Amino acid sequence: AQKITQTQPGMFVQEKEAVTLDCTYDTSDPSYGLFWYKQPSSGEMIFLIYQGSYDQQNATEGRYSLNFQKARKSANLVISASQLGDSAMYFCAMREKGYNTDKLIFGTGTRLQVFP
Amino acid sequence: EAQVTQNPRYLITVTGKKLTVTCSQNMNHEYMSWYRQDPGLGLRQIYYSMNVEVTDKGDVPEGYKVSRKEKRNFPLILESPSPNQTSLYFCASSLAGSSYEQYFGPGTRLTVT
Repeated sequence: AQKITQTQPGMFVQEKEAVTLDCTYDTSDPSYGLFWYKQPSSGEMIFLIYQGSYDQQNATEGRYSLNFQKARKSANLVISASQLGDSAMYFCAMREKGYNTDKLIFGTGTRLQVFP
Repeated sequence: EAQVTQNPRYLITVTGKKLTVTCSQNMNHEYMSWYRQDPGLGLRQIYYSMNVEVTDKGDVPEGYKVSRKEKRNFPLILESPSPNQTSLYFCASSLAGSSYEQYFGPGTRLTVT
């Protein structure tokens, strides 16, 4: 069965420093997508970055990068040069598309707090 | 503006009183889905729809119903709400396929007393 594990309930980072949020996944399907979403205190879900299972290179989007280690089944989010506005909940998710199925599974999230 | 809308945004109701949370998207997406978010549990998928008249259960479908009669709408129905359905609910839509991100609505906070 699909599973996403985020082992860090909370993380602290100083402004302008980099931080890594951990995510491991479990699947037997060779084709899947990995996503990171941000949820600020206002509650909306904001898409950050995507990594496909067949992608050879790690995904990057501005200050966000995804450290994809397929053999270890990990997809860690790296935020460089943290800003106060990065304080939020961060969710890792995996999407698998089968012939008759298309599910998105989320981890339990990591609350990131950026301090000055 | 491309968006997913949900109504109502906040709802307080009593046990057993049927309710419907509406969801609509204007991006012509085939795929739509409902999630509930509870503290410490992340988001869990309730139901999803891969196209009109095609719906399937997610991980926590008990106590919920959905329908997909039109491509843009995907209402969530609670026939007999119970207090354990108190939660934050999100509707989302996307293109079909594992490489597409889902676009989320603003959320509906439901309290069942």
